[in-house]
Amino acid sequence: QEQVVESGGGVVQPGRSLRLSCAASGFVFSNYGMHWVRQAPGRGLEWVAVIWQDGSNKYYAESVKGRFTISRDNSKNSLDLQMNSLRAEDTAVYYCARDIRVAAILEVNFDLWGQGTLVTVSS
Amino acid sequence: QSILTQPPSVSAAPGQRVTISCSGSRFNIGNNYVSWYQQLPGTAPKLLIYDNNKRPSGIPDRFSGSRSGTSATLDITGVQTGDEADYYCGTWDSSLGAGVFGGGTKLTVL
Repeated sequence: QEQVVESGGGVVQPGRSLRLSCAASGFVFSNYGMHWVRQAPGRGLEWVAVIWQDGSNKYYAESVKGRFTISRDNSKNSLDLQMNSLRAEDTAVYYCARDIRVAAILEVNFDLWGQGTLVTVSS
Repeated sequence: QSILTQPPSVSAAPGQRVTISCSGSRFNIGNNYVSWYQQLPGTAPKLLIYDNNKRPSGIPDRFSGSRSGTSATLDITGVQTGDEADYYCGTWDSSLGAGVFGGGTKLTVL
C-alpha cells in the first residue's frame, strides 16, 4: 500500500545539524510534489517546505529559510530535509506529506502522511 | 499568531452538528484551495476535505467543506464521540510563497 516513513530524528544540540529522510513506497514517487510539515509539542501544524516532483522548485517557510534544505532522489524514492543551525524552537515532530494529485503546483492538499519523526534541540 | 484564524475550541453533543471556521485573506483562502485535516491524539493528521469541498474516498459524508470569499468552513453533522480531535485548515499563501495552516480547533463531544 502507499506509505511514507520518516526517519533520522533525535536529540541534537543547538547550532548543530541533522538530516531527516522520508522513504516512499507503493506509488510513483516521481509524480508527486512532497512537503515537510512540523508540529511542536502541544502546538499546531506548521508547514516547512515543498519540493516539486522533479526537484525543479523548492519553497520554504520563513522560519527555516537559509537553514533548511529540502531535496529528493527519485531513483531511490526518498525525500530529505537537511537542517542546519538548529534552534530550540525547531523542536517538533516532522512529517513528510504528499500532494493529493500528480504535478500539483503550490497547493496544500496532503493525502498521505507519515507517522512523523521527533527532533529535539536541546543542550 | 497563525495566518489562518480558527476558533481554539468547539463542542457539541453526540448527534448534533458543529461548524469550524477558518478565516484568511485574498492571498490565501481567497485564491487557493483549502483543505481540512483531523488529528486524533498521538496520530498523524488525516485529510478530510481537499479543494475546498471534496472528500477523499473513505471519508463519510458527515464531513463537508465550503469556501466563501476569504473564509472556509468545515461542517460535521451527526457528531460522534470518535470525532473528538483537533481540526486544521490549510492552504497556500501566494503572498508569502508558503503553505499555511490555521492554529487548530479542538472538538469536544459532550
